[in-house]
Amino acid sequence: GAVVSQHPSWVICKSGTSVKIECRSLDFQATTMFWYRQFPKQSLMLMATSNEGSKATYEQGVEKDKFLINHASLTLSTLTVTSAHPEDSSFYICSARGDTSTNEKLFFGSGTQLSVL
Amino acid sequence: LAKTTQPISMDSYEGQEVNITCSHNNIATNDYITWYQQFPSQGPRFIIQGYKTKVTNEVASLFIPADRKSSTLSLPRVSLSDTAVYYCLVGNTGTASKLTFGTGTRLQVTL
Repeated sequence: GAVVSQHPSWVICKSGTSVKIECRSLDFQATTMFWYRQFPKQSLMLMATSNEGSKATYEQGVEKDKFLINHASLTLSTLTVTSAHPEDSSFYICSARGDTSTNEKLFFGSGTQLSVL
Repeated sequence: LAKTTQPISMDSYEGQEVNITCSHNNIATNDYITWYQQFPSQGPRFIIQGYKTKVTNEVASLFIPADRKSSTLSLPRVSLSDTAVYYCLVGNTGTASKLTFGTGTRLQVTL
């Protein structure tokens, strides 16, 4: 099956710094990637949809200047948490959609645990 | 957008068959039903997908009645390693950006 690589797996940073998370589709081209946030024992919340070569579409309540998304190629999307604060601590997950023949099957990265001190 | 409803949690003993039902009353004609499994601190993993009737693969079966307003994920002979959260999602290529995760079902398998 298709593989989505997410890096880093975990990161600890100081308040006020920025953190970049990478999401790569290893064996397929992903024109669309999605970014989610998940708090402990809760479901995944869609933050934004990342489209290659265009601006990301953010869900209501998600600050686009806080969570910068770049999808510069068909295999890479990045999420940058700018000026991170303790409340940004969470589990961040990316997913990529395969081609249309997969009928909406999503392939997920392994997630990034962000801890802001 | 089809909203899904699942039981919050289920318990099972090892070796039993587990059936998790998902309700999606507002499913659209071109929506598919997909189930994912998530372990703690990992991204969800695809289990099975179907449109109607029955689909079976090496890990699970998916039963979808004719009206498609619900679906049942069947896990045969579960083991401790099947303890996880299971999510059902409905959607199609056109609604890719709005696939919403419901609460999921937390399955606990014990000896």
